[in-house]
Amino acid sequence: DTEVTQTPKHLVMGMTNKKSLKCEQHMGHRAMYWYKQKAKKPPELMFVYSYEKLSINESVPSRFSPECPNSSLLNLHLHALQPEDSALYLCASSQGLQGTRDQSYNEQFFGPGTRLTVL
Amino acid sequence: LAKTTQPISMDSYEGQEVNITCSHNNIATNDYITWYQQFPSQGPRFIIQGYKTKVTNEVASLFIPADRKSSTLSLPRVSLSDTAVYYCLVAFKAGGFKTIFGAGTRLFVKA
Repeated sequence: DTEVTQTPKHLVMGMTNKKSLKCEQHMGHRAMYWYKQKAKKPPELMFVYSYEKLSINESVPSRFSPECPNSSLLNLHLHALQPEDSALYLCASSQGLQGTRDQSYNEQFFGPGTRLTVL
Repeated sequence: LAKTTQPISMDSYEGQEVNITCSHNNIATNDYITWYQQFPSQGPRFIIQGYKTKVTNEVASLFIPADRKSSTLSLPRVSLSDTAVYYCLVAFKAGGFKTIFGAGTRLFVKA
C-alpha cells in the first residue's frame, strides 16, 4: 500500500465551527506533514511530525492544531478559522525527515488533499 | 531564509526534451534536491531526487553541478499528459528540516 488517504475530500465550515481533517498512511513511514496550498501557489509547510512528535511548527496560528495519535494517523483540528484559511490542505508522509543521505528517507508521498472553504 | 527560483512557465511540443532549472543558493550540505509534479486538484507526486552530478530514472534525469547551487530537471520526449506544474524542493536546516517548495514551473505541452 503506497497511498496516503485524506478525509474529507471537501469541507465547508463557518468561522465558529470546529472540524478535523484526517490523514492516514500504512507504509510504515515515521515522518508526516501538513501543507497548505492556495490556488496557483506552491504548497507551504505547516507542521512536521517525526516519530509521532511535533518537530516543526512553521509559526502556524493556534486555530490550527495538529495531532498524531499513532504512527499511521495525522489529524488537523480546526477552530475559529477565517475565510483566508480557505485552501487545499495536503498531508504527506516519508520514511524519515529530509537531510539524511539515504535517498529513500526523503521522498514524500502526498495525499489528494482536503479542499477547505471557510464561510 | 533562502529562496528557490524557477521559471514561471514553459511551453513545449510533444516529443521534445524539456529542461527546467531551479536555483537554490543556500542549500544545506546534507540535503537532497527533489522534484515533484502536480496536476490540478491533486497532491504533488515525486519525480526524481539527487545529491550531486546526475541521476536518471525511467521518467526524468536530474543534473546537479558541483557547487549544488542549482539543479536541472530534464524530461525526455514530453507528451500532452506531462502538462503540469513542476516544483523543486530542498530542505533547509533550521532547528529541524524545513521543506521549501519553489514557486513551481507551469509546463504546457502542445500537440
